Amino acid sequence: EPEVTQTPSHQVTQMGQEVILRCVPISNHLYFYWYRQILGQKVEFLVSFYNNEISEKSEIFDDQFSVERPDGSNFTLKIRSTKLEDSAMYFCASSVGHANYEQYFGPGTRLTVT
Amino acid sequence: GQNIDQPTEMTATEGAIVQINCTYQTSGFNGLFWYQQHAGEAPTFLSYNVLDGLEEKGRFSSFLSRSKGYSYLLLKELQMKDSASYLCAVTVGGYQKVTFGIGTKLQVIP
Repeated sequence: EPEVTQTPSHQVTQMGQEVILRCVPISNHLYFYWYRQILGQKVEFLVSFYNNEISEKSEIFDDQFSVERPDGSNFTLKIRSTKLEDSAMYFCASSVGHANYEQYFGPGTRLTVT
Repeated sequence: GQNIDQPTEMTATEGAIVQINCTYQTSGFNGLFWYQQHAGEAPTFLSYNVLDGLEEKGRFSSFLSRSKGYSYLLLKELQMKDSASYLCAVTVGGYQKVTFGIGTKLQVIP
């Protein structure tokens, strides 16, 4: 069964450093998402991406964040200058259609900012 | 904005039935998802409701009342592996954003 993959599974970085989190969505999916989940808190939407551009973003997704689909398979989230409060699990997801279609989540990247 | 309420914790016995409730207040409600999340893992899809009524899928059923802003997830014949958090989530209008509730942590005991 096809699945969303993410690398790395765990990333430790120092405050102020840039990180890139990588995702390979399911191949025939057209919509891609990033979510984050701070330990013990709810899953929070960051951004959705369709047709090579951002289609929606939340207030969390400020200028420090960017997304890119550099080739036909990868979907990346870059945090330009990490803060302590960026420490969280970051989930990538993809779906065939938008809004009412099931989103398939990857296993997540645990980001620890020290 | 959207507001989603669900109990934070529940305990139920193996083999029993449990109902997890979710209420929401939102403008432009479109549909409601239920996801399961085991500790340290990603959410996995359980069900989606857009119309009023009950959707049944094996041991899991989900109900929606749009007029009451209410949904529940029903789990039958509970198994120990059902111990997990159950996340209620809504979509609004034609948007892709899924807004999640805090989740209900279900503990199944022998």
